Amino acid sequence: GAGVSQTPSNKVTEKGKYVELRCDPISGHTALYWYRQSLGQGPEFLIYFQGTGAADDSGLPNDRFFAVRPEGSVSTLKIQRTERGDSAVYLCASSASRGGEQFFGPGTRLTVL
Amino acid sequence: QQQVKQSPQSLIVQKGGISIINCAYENTAFDYFPWYQQFPGKGPALLIAIRPDVSEKKEGRFTISFNKSAKQFSLHIMDSQPGDSATYFCAAPRNTGFQKLVFGTGTRLLVSP
Repeated sequence: GAGVSQTPSNKVTEKGKYVELRCDPISGHTALYWYRQSLGQGPEFLIYFQGTGAADDSGLPNDRFFAVRPEGSVSTLKIQRTERGDSAVYLCASSASRGGEQFFGPGTRLTVL
Repeated sequence: QQQVKQSPQSLIVQKGGISIINCAYENTAFDYFPWYQQFPGKGPALLIAIRPDVSEKKEGRFTISFNKSAKQFSLHIMDSQPGDSATYFCAAPRNTGFQKLVFGTGTRLLVSP
């Protein structure tokens, strides 16, 4: 079966621009997670969805970051007024249930020039 | 912030040797300890995981050893192969009952032919 997919695989943008990153979780997985991975570091938690609602958004670094999952499946991470420090790989993961094993997508590499 | 401390940062092992990576955690409420394997350009993939009610778990060439009193757990890769060359991350949930994962900083393993 298909795993977690993320689009685009690479995104280059200019400082100050708005970007959207998309995640398609494994079919039927109710839990969805966003992480950010900087070069040479482990993934860092951003936000967790259970169904359509954001159950925990405590990892979002500031109010420029926002994520939605309107129908409980696909999720979009939105970053406003991008800064060079936002450059990283953004990973999405899903699990079959709250507390279940997490399966990661390949990530979107975001570069802010 | 609750942390997971991982060592070594990098490791070179000859083919057929044993690779050992260590992690230490702080929160005694942690109840799930996964190890992830990540190849360049890919997302992390769950390799093996353990819960604290057992001291060891083995899956093929991969073994997790868990020391609850020392708050440490380690990954052993037996008969290491060049194909095992990757970055390995230990992780632990930040909260019980929900796997908002906190990752270690990673170990880059190189298995020489």
